[in-house]
Amino acid sequence: VMTQSPATLSVSPGERATLSCRASQSVSSNLAWYQHKPGQAPRLLIYGASTRATGVPGRFSGSGSGTEFTLTISSPQSEDFAVYYCQQYNSWLLTFGGGTKVEIK
Amino acid sequence: EVQLVESGGGLVQPGGARRLSCAASGFSFSTYAMNWVRQAPGKGLEWVSYISASGGTTHYSDSVEGRFFVSRDNARNTLYLQMNTLGAEDMAIYYCARGYYGDYFPDYWGQGALVTVSS
Repeated sequence: VMTQSPATLSVSPGERATLSCRASQSVSSNLAWYQHKPGQAPRLLIYGASTRATGVPGRFSGSGSGTEFTLTISSPQSEDFAVYYCQQYNSWLLTFGGGTKVEIK
Repeated sequence: EVQLVESGGGLVQPGGARRLSCAASGFSFSTYAMNWVRQAPGKGLEWVSYISASGGTTHYSDSVEGRFFVSRDNARNTLYLQMNTLGAEDMAIYYCARGYYGDYFPDYWGQGALVTVSS
């Protein structure tokens, strides 16, 4: 089970945003983060817990291993307000967290 | 450019069936595993099914096992999801998603197809 916190994060543009994801058992570094906006396809941001996907801005960073993971948006821009999901991929059985909605304060 | 375009969504009665398709382009479809992931109204993402690049291996979530069947036609660059005995709990946007080469996590996703289950 993947648990994300908080469910909603209110931040001002330019204010650092920190999202958490906890796994009920170790997933090593097999952890990805996705950004999802209404009506759009989910977008891969981070895989391997800390590797940015192609084209992802440097303000997004991931860290952690085992059961505790963090996605940091160093200076959120207007286009970054969305729902973020973590996902473990230890096997073909993919498990997503419940999501964190990042909204404008 | 990688493109995944789902089709086949729509209104279906409880207990009915529907087949979704996902047309892939911009990459060598036959060398990538594929997934179906869904999002029910107001809910988060839920993995539904996996199929290997050759189609020889398939996996399903417990919630759809025995009712849903994934397949692919590598000659047509198309992924399918046959959904049977649909219930209200299956109403969702269904996304097809390409598996990252050599690993399990999806890297590219389609825009999704909405399946509505209602009488």
